[in-house]
Amino acid sequence: DAKTTQPPSMDCAEGRAANLPCNHSTISGNEYVYWYRQIHSQGPQYIIHGLKNNETNEMASLIITEDRKSSTLILPHATLRDTAVYYCIATNAGGTSYGKLTFGQGTILTVHP
Amino acid sequence: DTGVSQDPRHKITKRGQNVTFRCDPISEHNRLYWYRQTLGQGPEFLTYFQNEAQLEKSRLLSDRFSAERPKGSFSTLEIQRTEQGDSAMYLCASSPQQANEQFFGPGTRLTVL
Repeated sequence: DAKTTQPPSMDCAEGRAANLPCNHSTISGNEYVYWYRQIHSQGPQYIIHGLKNNETNEMASLIITEDRKSSTLILPHATLRDTAVYYCIATNAGGTSYGKLTFGQGTILTVHP
Repeated sequence: DTGVSQDPRHKITKRGQNVTFRCDPISEHNRLYWYRQTLGQGPEFLTYFQNEAQLEKSRLLSDRFSAERPKGSFSTLEIQRTEQGDSAMYLCASSPQQANEQFFGPGTRLTVL
């Protein structure tokens, strides 16, 4: 898996968009960008993933730069329940490749009232 | 609840004792993973099963650790002669074949005194 770099912590006001950056400059062509989050005392939870195109689901949007060397996870209207550690992972896991996930230290997002 | 379940949720043991944890994956998920997470760090991959076959083991999985998935359903992780350094959260995840996301259980927190 390619190495990813994330800021250790970020703050966001409730109701505002949270934009979490991730650098993965050594990502290879067959590696996807995955985002998981871990709320305190729970197991990680899948959020979204993408290869080249921007992706959106009910939880978040994922913006991947054209050169694929970085990405941004966007929580459009952050709530207090979005306070968690967010992990960006570059991996060929998924689909036909079973792939273990290589977690870094992630970004601690704190959403303030 | 049809998510991944783990038992026990907490385990306190004395150094040198053996412990066993159980993971029940989501029904029909043939892929099963074990991870370990220490305080302040992201989860680290330990081992992977496809059905009953253990296909990959991390170097973190010393000879004191053994995992099984005898019938391709639930899995057990045993640690023999526990050491204080084994204190961690042990996470189990499952996914169906050709899926992109892994579904994590709540984890078993082990404390070795």
